[in-house]
Amino acid sequence: DGGITQSPKYLFRKEGQNVTLSCEQNLNHDAMYWYRQDPGQGLRLIYYSQIVNDFQKGDIAEGYSVSREKKESFPLTVTSAQKNPTAFYLCASSDKPHNEQFFGPGTRLTVL
Amino acid sequence: AQKITQTQPGMFVQEKEAVTLDCTYDTSDPSYGLFWYKQPSSGEMIFLIYQGSYDQQNATEGRYSLNFQKARKSANLVISASQLGDSAMYFCAMRENQGGKLIFGQGTELSVKP
Repeated sequence: DGGITQSPKYLFRKEGQNVTLSCEQNLNHDAMYWYRQDPGQGLRLIYYSQIVNDFQKGDIAEGYSVSREKKESFPLTVTSAQKNPTAFYLCASSDKPHNEQFFGPGTRLTVL
Repeated sequence: AQKITQTQPGMFVQEKEAVTLDCTYDTSDPSYGLFWYKQPSSGEMIFLIYQGSYDQQNATEGRYSLNFQKARKSANLVISASQLGDSAMYFCAMRENQGGKLIFGQGTELSVKP
């Protein structure tokens, strides 16, 4: 079945550690996105990529990094520079930037 | 700056009745897109319906319809014949013209009563 997978579903991290969240899609979509959701809030864009080997900062990119070496993969690294990383992280993709985005199941990150 | 406003933090509806979830937006771009997503307690965002700024007719998808009033900058979601499975958070979002990034509202939590 085509879709978007994110792993792990739950992630615990100690302060000062970097951690990488995985996002893979087999929909052959060009565009991929990372969003952050805090409790009771809407989604905010961290980074997005419209094509392989290219990506742009979203509204809250500080403390995060991404890579897009393959069309199907868009991993997000939460660095120790991110002051408040505990949140729900959602990855999305779309076949074209102006079309609807399809979301993965999300990763819930907790900093201990 | 582009902005999405959902003024109803929570809504209740009786099973089998219709419900309207409000969404207003602000943009100076003549070309934009409006989306509604459903987020159940599992967390996954499920795409429901899309309306383009130049679409002449209101969008419909099964029990979902979008009441698009361009002059008032509103894009309300109407769910007909509510079901218990409709209980979830609902987010309105607007697509910027460049890059395709979505701007989300704060969401409305819908509870369907049996």
